[in-house]
This record gives sequence, structure tokens and C-alpha cells, in this order.
Amino acid sequence: GQSLEQPSEVTAVEGAIVQINCTYQTSGFYGLSWYQQHDGGAPTFLSYNALDGLEETGRFSSFLSRSDSYGYLLLQELQMKDSASYFCAVRPRGNYGQNFVFGPGTRLSVLP
Amino acid sequence: KAGVTQTPRYLIKTRGQQVTLSCSPISGHRSVSWYQQTPGQGLQFLFEYFSETQRNKGNFPGRFSGRQFSNSRSEMNVSTLELGDSALYLCASSPASGGNEQFFGPGTRLTVL
Repeated sequence: GQSLEQPSEVTAVEGAIVQINCTYQTSGFYGLSWYQQHDGGAPTFLSYNALDGLEETGRFSSFLSRSDSYGYLLLQELQMKDSASYFCAVRPRGNYGQNFVFGPGTRLSVLP
Repeated sequence: KAGVTQTPRYLIKTRGQQVTLSCSPISGHRSVSWYQQTPGQGLQFLFEYFSETQRNKGNFPGRFSGRQFSNSRSEMNVSTLELGDSALYLCASSPASGGNEQFFGPGTRLTVL
């Protein structure tokens, strides 16, 4: 089966750095994706890690370690607009009848 | 390029009724996936269509069905609505089946009374 775990909530202050972890139990997947969703909005794609290591896109970075079944999203120089829910997702290999499997989401609150 | 559009944005139905939701993908995208989002279950995959063919199907009852047209627009249908079907239904498009980046529409908020 496929399952992903994330912390339910994270709180940080403006200007700080926050790391949102994603641990998974899956027999195989193509890569780890991250999506951001503001309240009332649609999920928007942030990053994708096909290989182990760090991917950087502006203030956001994402990391994957397949050997540790672990990934994280790092947000730097936090801004109030970063308050949102963040989802990790994997696309399983093989015939699992799934396109993407999403984690439960982490609600990030950025305080002034 | 216009984004993914979904209609209607809000819908109120009663138990036992059926509903049809529509999704227009980004121009040139041939894959459309549907998801159900609820506070308790999170984002759950319903099905994916590519070139008018269902490629994958999630673990939902047969009351949930869909189709895709030759212009890549997609519809999903839920028959015999239940209270538990109240959710935000999101569709996402990507250029090809299994694309790493999915582009989500704003969703249809379905309330079943």
C-alpha cells in the first residue's frame, strides 16, 4: 500500500525558516511532489524531486531521501502569504490504480 | 494560457439525486484527473482520463463515474447522492498521463442535504 505522513500543524514567525516533513511507506514511486493550498483555493504545484537530494526554487527547497523514506519542504524568509496547507504526494509505480497519493497535509501558520 | 476551469463552483443537492460536474483542462493538456477533498479524508484520487480513456481509478464506489470528450474536457457524475459525498471536487490536468506536475482547477463545492 501507499501511505504518507505529515505533521498536522506547524507555526512559525515572519522571516523564519520552517521545515515540513513527509515520511512515507510505499513500495515504489516515481518521485515526491509538494503542493500548496490556501484556504478556499486550489492546490498549486511547488516542487518535484525525482532523485535524492535537494531541489531549490526561490525561497522554497525540497529534499528527498529514498533510503530513509523521507522528504521535506523547506520554506525560508517566511511571509504572511505562506500561511496555507502543504501536501506531499507520490505517484506510485506499478498497477495500484492510483494516479497520485497525497499526504494528509500540514497547515502552516505564519505569525507576525 | 487559461487555467483549468470547473463548473459549477457551488452546488447543493439532496440525498438520492445525481450530479454532473464539468472540467475544462488547460489547452493542450490531454490528461484530466479528479479528486475528492474532505476535512476527514484529505485529497483522494477518483480517476484519471487520458485521450478519452480511463487510465486509473481510485477506491470509490461505482456511483462515481466519469468520461472525457475528444476536446479533453471531462465530466464526472455521482449518482444516488449520499450525505458523505459532500466535498470539494477538484480536477487537475497535465500534458500527459502521469505527469509530475498537475494543474488544479478551483473545484466544485458539493453539499448534499
